[in-house]
Amino acid sequence: DAMVIQNPRYQVTQFGKPVTLSCSQTLNHNVMYWYQQKSSQAPKLLFHYYDKDFNNEADTPDNFQSRRPNTSFCFLDIRSPGLGDAAMYLCATSSSQRTRRGTDTQYFGPGTRLTVL
Amino acid sequence: AQKITQTQPGMFVQEKEAVTLDCTYDTSDQSYGLFWYKQPSSGEMIFLIYQGSYDEQNATEGRYSLNFQKARKSANLVISASQLGDSAMYFCAMGGGYNKLIFGAGTRLAVHP
Repeated sequence: DAMVIQNPRYQVTQFGKPVTLSCSQTLNHNVMYWYQQKSSQAPKLLFHYYDKDFNNEADTPDNFQSRRPNTSFCFLDIRSPGLGDAAMYLCATSSSQRTRRGTDTQYFGPGTRLTVL
Repeated sequence: AQKITQTQPGMFVQEKEAVTLDCTYDTSDQSYGLFWYKQPSSGEMIFLIYQGSYDEQNATEGRYSLNFQKARKSANLVISASQLGDSAMYFCAMGGGYNKLIFGAGTRLAVHP
């Protein structure tokens, strides 16, 4: 089955120790998104890739970076995790045109729950 | 600015009964999409149903239907014949510019046996 895969499902890191979360997809979608979701809140978009074009949200901290080496894979790098970065990180994909239609479904992976000690 | 409002922080329903989860939205765009996602305690966001702003018929997907009232800017989710496995958080979302999703605050649904 075509799907969005995130590894690992659970990640524990130490305060200030860099961590990388990975996402892969077999849907061949051109857009990939990273969301941060804290407890009892809605997901918050960090950034997304339209093909190879990186689009950062204005309020995403510099501590968060991303790489997309090819269509299938996307990585979220947290350079120096703080206690406030503990959250669920969700990757999503969609097949979208560069328009304002807002009608394309995003499909999510199972998420990576990050704990910062 | 685009906005999604879910006014019910929590709802409960008896097993096998129907339940409606409310969602209102605000946008000045003519073309947009409305989505409902289910998030169980495991954390995965599961796509349930989609309604396009130009769709004249209400969307249905199995036990899920979307009561779309464009003039009132509402897109309520109806779950028929509730099951224990329906207990989860439910998010209403709108497709914004460049397909960004704008989420509501969510409604936590509890299905009681």
